[in-house]
Amino acid sequence: ETGVTQTPRHLVMGMTNKKSLKCEQHLGHNAMYWYKQSAKKPLELMFVYNFKEQTENNSVPSRFSPECPNSSHLFLHLHTLQPEDSALYLCASSQSVREKLFFGSGTQLSVL
Amino acid sequence: GQQLNQSPQSMFIQEGEDVSMNCTSSSIFNTWLWYKQEPGEGPVLLIALYKAGELTSNGRLTAQFGITRKDSFLNISASIPSDVGIYFCAGQLNNQGGKLIFGQGTELSVKP
Repeated sequence: ETGVTQTPRHLVMGMTNKKSLKCEQHLGHNAMYWYKQSAKKPLELMFVYNFKEQTENNSVPSRFSPECPNSSHLFLHLHTLQPEDSALYLCASSQSVREKLFFGSGTQLSVL
Repeated sequence: GQQLNQSPQSMFIQEGEDVSMNCTSSSIFNTWLWYKQEPGEGPVLLIALYKAGELTSNGRLTAQFGITRKDSFLNISASIPSDVGIYFCAGQLNNQGGKLIFGQGTELSVKP
C-alpha cells in the first residue's frame, strides 16, 4: 500500500464514451501528477497540480481533462479517445513538486 | 529536452547472480531516484540519492550518485525470483520546478 489509490484498475471504453479516472492520496501531500505509460516508452508526464492549481500541462490533447478539487483528489476525465491512447495511466503525489514521487497502481486503459 | 539513457534495456540472469544497471545523461541532476515496477502495479521507490558520490543501500540493493552528477548506477546482489520487474532511474533537476526525468527502464528476468 503506497498511500495513493487509483480507480478503476482496468477500463475498456469505446471512442465515443466519456469516462473518468480517479486518484486519491492519503499521504498529506500537496502535489499530484498524471503520467502516461505506454509499452517500451519512458513515463510521460501529463499534468502537475500543486496546492490544487495546475502548474504543468505537457502539451496533452484536450480529450484529456484533469480536475483537482482538493490536494487529496485528482481526476482525469476522458472523452472521444483514440486507440493510441490505450496505456497505463499512473497517478502520483509528492510532498512538494521538488520531492520524490509516490505512485498509485495505475489504471490500465484500453480504447476500442 | 533532457534525456536519460538507461542500460541495459533488459537482462536475463540466473538466481543468485549479481545485477548492475546504470543511467547516464548530458544534464546535471540534483537528485537521483531508483524505482521498481512489477506487472500490473505502479513504480515503487527503492532508493533516493541527494549528493554527488553518495552510496546508499537498501537490503541487497546499492545505488550510487555519480560524482559528475550526470550518472547513477543500481546494483542488486544475489538476485532472487522476486527481483523480477522493470527498474527505472529518474533524475530531478532543481531548476524547471524540480521536474523528474525518467529513464526507459531495465527489464529484469530471473531464472530460478
